[in-house]
Amino acid sequence: QQQVKQSPQSLIVQKGGISIINCAYENTAFDYFPWYQQFPGKGPALLIAIRPDVSEKKEGRFTISFNKSAKQFSLHIMDSQPGDSATYFCAARSASGSRLTFGEGTQLTVNP
Amino acid sequence: NAGVTQTPKFQVLKTGQSMTLQCAQDMNHEYMSWYRQDPGMGLRLIHYSVGAGITDQGEVPNGYNVSRSTTEDFPLRLLSAAPSQTSVYFCASSLMTGLEGGYTFGSGTRLTVV
Repeated sequence: QQQVKQSPQSLIVQKGGISIINCAYENTAFDYFPWYQQFPGKGPALLIAIRPDVSEKKEGRFTISFNKSAKQFSLHIMDSQPGDSATYFCAARSASGSRLTFGEGTQLTVNP
Repeated sequence: NAGVTQTPKFQVLKTGQSMTLQCAQDMNHEYMSWYRQDPGMGLRLIHYSVGAGITDQGEVPNGYNVSRSTTEDFPLRLLSAAPSQTSVYFCASSLMTGLEGGYTFGSGTRLTVV
């Protein structure tokens, strides 16, 4: 049972464009929602994270939008660059422990 | 400060062979976990540990064993490898619940079972 569903599976964006990746979750006990970035041959690395009491968090070109009532959150990458080409995972953590549940991943390609 | 170190980076096994994937962290993290990554399926939790001597199962534990004798090490054992265990395996660690910072992942072990 996939508790965190992510879309799209792949995304192609032109340089300078906006990349948007969406996630939806089912478990209302989740209390922490991070996004991870993974380059080929590397482990995932924390990119940005949000708690459900905040509707938006911005760090540089990366923004998380969070809709608690809809149980959805999304990652926006502004002014996308070829160096942003990577696989992105959303995740959710239960308040009762440290376990992270990951989405299926989105392979982002930014064309120059 | 090396972070999370996984060995080996690559491994080819024959069906039925056993092996241990090593994971070590030097950040004094209480929480350690093993994930497998398969195309289109994201990262799926195999086993995790909240401290030395304590382990528990994740989503896909069958065919894998773990132990946590020290805070630093969390090896993953495949007792009898099967082709379905062909995957990329990641070890991750973190401080415990309530603290920000997320997981620190190792660089992965790419395992092929033939």
